[in-house]
Parts: sequence; structure tokens; C-alpha cells
Amino acid sequence: GQQLNQSPQSMFIQEGEDVSMNCTSSSIFNTWLWYKQDPGEGPVLLIALYKAGELTSNGRLTAQFGITRKDSFLNISASIPSDVGIYFCAGHMPRAGTALIFGKGTTLSVSS
Amino acid sequence: DVKVTQSSRYLVKRTGEKVFLECVQDMDHENMFWYRQDPGLGLRLIYFSYDVKMKEKGDIPEGYSVSREKKERFSLILESASTNQTSMYLCASSLSDYGYTFGSGTRLTVV
Repeated sequence: GQQLNQSPQSMFIQEGEDVSMNCTSSSIFNTWLWYKQDPGEGPVLLIALYKAGELTSNGRLTAQFGITRKDSFLNISASIPSDVGIYFCAGHMPRAGTALIFGKGTTLSVSS
Repeated sequence: DVKVTQSSRYLVKRTGEKVFLECVQDMDHENMFWYRQDPGLGLRLIYFSYDVKMKEKGDIPEGYSVSREKKERFSLILESASTNQTSMYLCASSLSDYGYTFGSGTRLTVV
């Protein structure tokens, strides 16, 4: 099936640092979403992007829908220990009756 | 808030057993999905359903089947469990095509 290329695969950072991760695709997407999964739980939606070029913030999180509609990035500013988890990008293709496609995830570790 | 409830957090089953994973959502969502999550592979879609009694194959349907007899319930069935089906299984539901709500997952071990 269609794949999203998410990078980096993992990150080890110090508390207070900024974090950036991104997702790319060879196909156009109508929607980009970013999810976070805490250990032992299901993913939770962080940010949804619906228009090319859209830049959206949610607290310390900022995400952008790429102009080409083939990429998106997520930034986390001033990281804190509770930011630890797996971050997934997901996209929806412009074709009815399809499900979200997920990236393989970025595992974030934060040391205090 | 929408709640998606998966009946078991942890399951241990024997090879060859028929396994049922149950998922119930309480917000009248049309769409329900089953994914499996494996380290380094992300979330892979097994089956999804956009309506009662309707099902669509995802990317990895082999060895699985599903049942959606009622709108709120979507069951994943492993006809004859194998060790390569040891994984975390995640159920999700949505009203639109975009905002999925996930359950907490079922970690299945097949021995």
C-alpha cells in the first residue's frame, strides 16, 4: 500500500530543546494529521491540516501542510518530559472510500 | 468525548486458536477501522468499515476477517492464530474521513 516517509525514526533530546520531524509522500494528500501515542495507549490527534500551505499551532506544537501537498512537518518547542512518546503523521488521499495512511512514527525521548 | 473501547488490553492465545478482538464506540460513528502496530512498521490497516455489514480490505487482510453487525461494534477475527500475528491491535472510529479516535489497544501474544 501507499507509504508515508517519516523522519527521523527516533530522537534523543534534552529538556528545553526544540524538535522537528517531517513526513513526505510521492502522492498528493488532501489532509495531513499528526498523532501522539503515549506508552501503552492508542494514538491521540494533535493537529489536523486541511489546506496546502496551512500553518497551525496547538500550544507548543506547530505543524504545516506543504505547498506541494506531498509533505508536512511538526515542530515542538521547548520540549518537556511529558512530550515523550511516538509521533505519527497521517494523510488522507483525495479518493473517496479510503482510510488514513500512517507514517512509521518518530520515537521521542526527552532527558531532564 | 468519543470513547472507543477495546475489550481486552492483553491477550495470550495458542497457535491455531480462533481469536476475537472486540471494539465498541459510543458516538454513533459511521466508520471503524482495525490497525496493527509493530515496532519499526508503524500502523498498518487490516480492515475497515463505512457502514453496518460493510467491510473493506486494508493493506494486510490476510489471516484476518471482520464483522460489523451493529453500528457501534466492529470485531476483528483471527481465524487460526499464528505466532506472526503477535502484535498490538488498535481499533479506531470516525464520523468523517479525517478525525480518527483510537482505543487503547489490545496486545496479543500468540504462543
